[in-house]
Amino acid sequence: EAGVVQSPRYKIIEKKQPVAFWCNPISGHNTLYWYLQNLGQGPELLIRYENEEAVDDSQLPKDRFSAERLKGVDSTLKIQPAELGDSAVYLCASSPGAADTQYFGPGTRLTVL
Amino acid sequence: KQEVTQIPAALSVPEGENLVLNCSFTDSAIYNLQWFRQDPGKGLTSLLLIQSSQREQTSGRLNASLDKSSGRSTLYIAASQPGDSATYLCAVDTGTASKLTFGTGTRLQVTL
Repeated sequence: EAGVVQSPRYKIIEKKQPVAFWCNPISGHNTLYWYLQNLGQGPELLIRYENEEAVDDSQLPKDRFSAERLKGVDSTLKIQPAELGDSAVYLCASSPGAADTQYFGPGTRLTVL
Repeated sequence: KQEVTQIPAALSVPEGENLVLNCSFTDSAIYNLQWFRQDPGKGLTSLLLIQSSQREQTSGRLNASLDKSSGRSTLYIAASQPGDSATYLCAVDTGTASKLTFGTGTRLQVTL
């Protein structure tokens, strides 16, 4: 069974540039999560989807961050414009349903110069 | 607001030793607690999930316990191996929004 796929694995951009991350969850998983992980810290939830509906986006900085999950499968997380403080690892996870075990992708390491 | 603390932040042990990692949380109204492993530059791998009604879960050399009333969980690793070297993260699910709150992790190194 294929795991959660994320791309790109690494991204280096200059500040004020836009950037997008892509996630393909495990087939059949209805719940999809985007987390942000700073160095030496645990992941923090940015947004959770149930199928195509964003049911918890309270931690998403909506002035510059946006996300979508079209057709309830793949998801894209976008930052525009990126700031120096956005440098972190962005993790995608999926689960069969809410409160089930979450399966994480390898993450995208973003560096903003 | 739920806060999760993990002690110690880092741990180095010789191969073969048994060890215990600690996790504490401030709000005992949890739905479940999970232990994850994270290798450098990789995502998280779920090790054990303990429902709030359970006291412990076992998988191979790993045993996780949960004392919800005191807000504590431990991860016991028996006969440690160099391949166990990784960061171990504890996370609690409050259930109200199925939101995991993570600790900052314990970085484990098992030496030969």
